[in-house]
Amino acid sequence: DAGVTQSPTHLIKTRGQQVTLRCSPKSGHDTVSWYQQALGQGPQFIFQYYEEEERQRGNFPDRFSGHQFPNYSSELNVNALLLGDSALYLCASSLAGQVLAKNIQYFGAGTRLSVL
Amino acid sequence: GDSVTQMEGPVTLSEEACLTINCTYTATGYPSLFWYVQYPGEGLQLLLKATKADDKGSNKGFEATYRKETTSFHLEKGSVQVSDSAVYFCALVRTGTASKLTFGTGTRLQVTL
Repeated sequence: DAGVTQSPTHLIKTRGQQVTLRCSPKSGHDTVSWYQQALGQGPQFIFQYYEEEERQRGNFPDRFSGHQFPNYSSELNVNALLLGDSALYLCASSLAGQVLAKNIQYFGAGTRLSVL
Repeated sequence: GDSVTQMEGPVTLSEEACLTINCTYTATGYPSLFWYVQYPGEGLQLLLKATKADDKGSNKGFEATYRKETTSFHLEKGSVQVSDSAVYFCALVRTGTASKLTFGTGTRLQVTL
């Protein structure tokens, strides 16, 4: 049973460029959340997708956008990259409809983005 | 808003020593509480959880008790191993927030022989 997979593993971009990160959820999961983890910090919630729509969003600018596909996989897009966007981007999947006690999020290994 | 405060690391212990990592939270309502662990080069793994006051979560020798009166969820282990070296994150999910996790800043644990 494949867990959450993310690609690419590492990415180097320059300021002003655009980037797309990809995530495949754990088998059977239908909800994908994205988090940004800056060096030495805890993950910060970016947004969550369910049924191909953004269900909830954290305090991130509109440069951060996403998409969920019918097969539940998801993309995170970041436009006009800034140096401060350098971080580990984590994807987590879960199953909507589970009672909270069972609604555990499973994380991928992340994509490390470096903006030069 | 919701927040989680963890003790700063790094925490350096000898093998078989006792571990306590403090975690306190601020949230409205009755959040569920979690400890996640991040090994070098890997994503986050759920270590344990508690969903209501006085619940005790436990896994792999680690324990944490949901203390509503002190808004705390301290992580403990009686005897740490070198393989426990990792970064530990305390986190909460507030009821009704569609499973948005709010994390602390993490505590790095280094266990030496």
